[in-house]
Amino acid sequence: EPEVTQTPSHQVTQMGQEVILRCVPISNHLYFYWYRQILGQKVEFLVSFYNNEISEKSEIFDDQFSVERPDGSNFTLKIRSTKLEDSAMYFCASNSLNEKLFFGSGTQLSVL
Amino acid sequence: DAKTTQPPSMDCAEGRAANLPCNHSTISGNEYVYWYRQIHSQGPQYIIHGLKNNETNEMASLIITEDRKSSTLILPHATLRDTAVYYCIVRVGSNFGNEKLTFGTGTRLTIIP
Repeated sequence: EPEVTQTPSHQVTQMGQEVILRCVPISNHLYFYWYRQILGQKVEFLVSFYNNEISEKSEIFDDQFSVERPDGSNFTLKIRSTKLEDSAMYFCASNSLNEKLFFGSGTQLSVL
Repeated sequence: DAKTTQPPSMDCAEGRAANLPCNHSTISGNEYVYWYRQIHSQGPQYIIHGLKNNETNEMASLIITEDRKSSTLILPHATLRDTAVYYCIVRVGSNFGNEKLTFGTGTRLTIIP
């Protein structure tokens, strides 16, 4: 089965630093997403991206967050100035119309 | 999207059928029932979805009551690898498109050897 690939699997950063989480969605997919899960809490939608622009975003996705598809294969989530409360597992996902959603295995972000 | 209610945890013996209930009494006519699972801390995995007819695929069966206010996910022969948190999600839409999903707390299913 095809896979969504996320790198790194674990990232540690200092509060206030910028981080970029990277994802390689499945190659023919058109919709891209970021979700996150704080330890012990629910999986939360952050943002969806289609046709090179944000389709929808949640209240969590404030001005500190941005997404980009810099080339034909990568999809990135940038957090401009990390806060302690940004510590979470971040999941990338992708799909196409009429196709199920595939999630990656996640990047565990630890903000110290 | 309609709210769902699931038991927080369930156990099932290995090899037996696991039946996971979900209540969605406020579901509206154009809302589908989706099931996902999350094994340990991996990314959620799609299992199955349906509107009003029962559905079956290689992973599971989905039984939706006639009034659509509840559903049951059935794993016919549970294995240890089915130990996971199972999420029932109700959302508007037909087939897949822009998948903004609202996850609840789900049911933690433990398969007992």
